[in-house]
Amino acid sequence: AQKITQTQPGMFVQEKEAVTLDCTYDTSDQSYGLFWYKQPSSGEMIFLIYQGSYDEQNATEGRYSLNFQKARKSANLVISASQLGDSAMYFCAMREGPLFNAGNNRKLIWGLGTSLAVNP
Amino acid sequence: DTGVSQNPRHKITKRGQNVTFRCDPISEHNRLYWYRQTLGQGPEFLTYFQNEAQLEKSRLLSDRFSAERPKGSFSTLEIQRTEQGDSAMYLCASSRIERGDEQFFGPGTRLTVL
Repeated sequence: AQKITQTQPGMFVQEKEAVTLDCTYDTSDQSYGLFWYKQPSSGEMIFLIYQGSYDEQNATEGRYSLNFQKARKSANLVISASQLGDSAMYFCAMREGPLFNAGNNRKLIWGLGTSLAVNP
Repeated sequence: DTGVSQNPRHKITKRGQNVTFRCDPISEHNRLYWYRQTLGQGPEFLTYFQNEAQLEKSRLLSDRFSAERPKGSFSTLEIQRTEQGDSAMYLCASSRIERGDEQFFGPGTRLTVL
């Protein structure tokens, strides 16, 4: 079963509007982390935002915010005031297990991504 | 603050040849990761180092793949007897324990096996 599900293969948004990219996850761990990354056509994976499972407030980083609904196991990315440079693939990823676990489960588990196109 | 660097950026090789990639992490990061990404997919985890110790290897990492991180600084990923199915983007990331242990990625090495 998929641990990270991104149901939107492609999304379009008008410049300056907000857009929400969906992500649902599946884990039995109580402690985990959720991440969003952006991958432009150049190929580099760019870290955007992080949400810990015990964080009480939704994470925000500039124009990016994460709508974390723990009971529903969803971690949607909201991009406000879209810009042309936001056009890229967006990946949701999860790290299972406690943050300070030095052994296994440091890896990120990834979704298939959502391709976002921002129209002028 | 320099980011993660990877060399070479592109590698074209013939089937059966050996290739080696290098990753230089962010200097204060003690964790280093290798992932592989094929077209239309998210990255797949290959292996992870904490300092010089290789703590986890994916089942994807066959015996043709080996990774090292001598002295806990840069890392190398070697693929022996390359196959066409090895063609992919090989991504390296590094992190340190703080906040969410966020992983920061290098630009990747694109491998094409002819």
